[in-house]
Amino acid sequence: QVQLVESGGGLVKPGGSLRLSCAASGFTFSDYYMSWIRQAPGKGLEWVSYITISGSTIYYADSVKGRFTISRDNAKNSLYLQMNSLRAEDTAVYYCARGYYDFDIWGQGTMVTVSS
Amino acid sequence: QSALTQPASVSGSPGQSITISCTGTSSDVGGYNYVSWYQQHPGKAPKLMIYEVSNRPSGVSNRFSGSKSGNTASLTISGLQAEDEADYYCSSYTSSSTRVFGTGTKVTVL
Repeated sequence: QVQLVESGGGLVKPGGSLRLSCAASGFTFSDYYMSWIRQAPGKGLEWVSYITISGSTIYYADSVKGRFTISRDNAKNSLYLQMNSLRAEDTAVYYCARGYYDFDIWGQGTMVTVSS
Repeated sequence: QSALTQPASVSGSPGQSITISCTGTSSDVGGYNYVSWYQQHPGKAPKLMIYEVSNRPSGVSNRFSGSKSGNTASLTISGLQAEDEADYYCSSYTSSSTRVFGTGTKVTVL
């Protein structure tokens, strides 16, 4: 079935780095734009970044610009989010989602906790 | 980019209809027909309920409908059921080619 599975979350100290992965299955990954969306504990959804099919166009939310890098490997059906210079306010569940204008498939999320 | 404004909570009795508003600006909601709505149950991933203002994905109940007027989009749930109790978020494309979500609305079925 159509599925997205995130991995790579965990506990990291402020200023540290983490790389999230999202494995896609059940659909032709290389046909779709992909996005990362996060949700801080008890808070609402926040769009983080998206990447076009070829990876030639990328956009970021102002809150992560210059610190996070989105990428994809269509041969491996995978989406990535490299997160550097992490801050306490980056603590959240990170979801990968399929789509550009709207997000029709979501993963189950991976928790990132930034704390000393 | 500021979050779109939604009411914090909306409630209704089973069988009733409720409407959730989502207010933005001419740079997002008012400028494009790319408003979507998501339902999220506790501990679960969000689920797409409405896309491009008023379109329902396959499998979503026709009790859910969307509309837009000016800078405000709306989600209406008719024939409210216990399973509709959840958080709901709107989202819009923006003039900066980014996306913005609403503040979220908790729907309670009385």
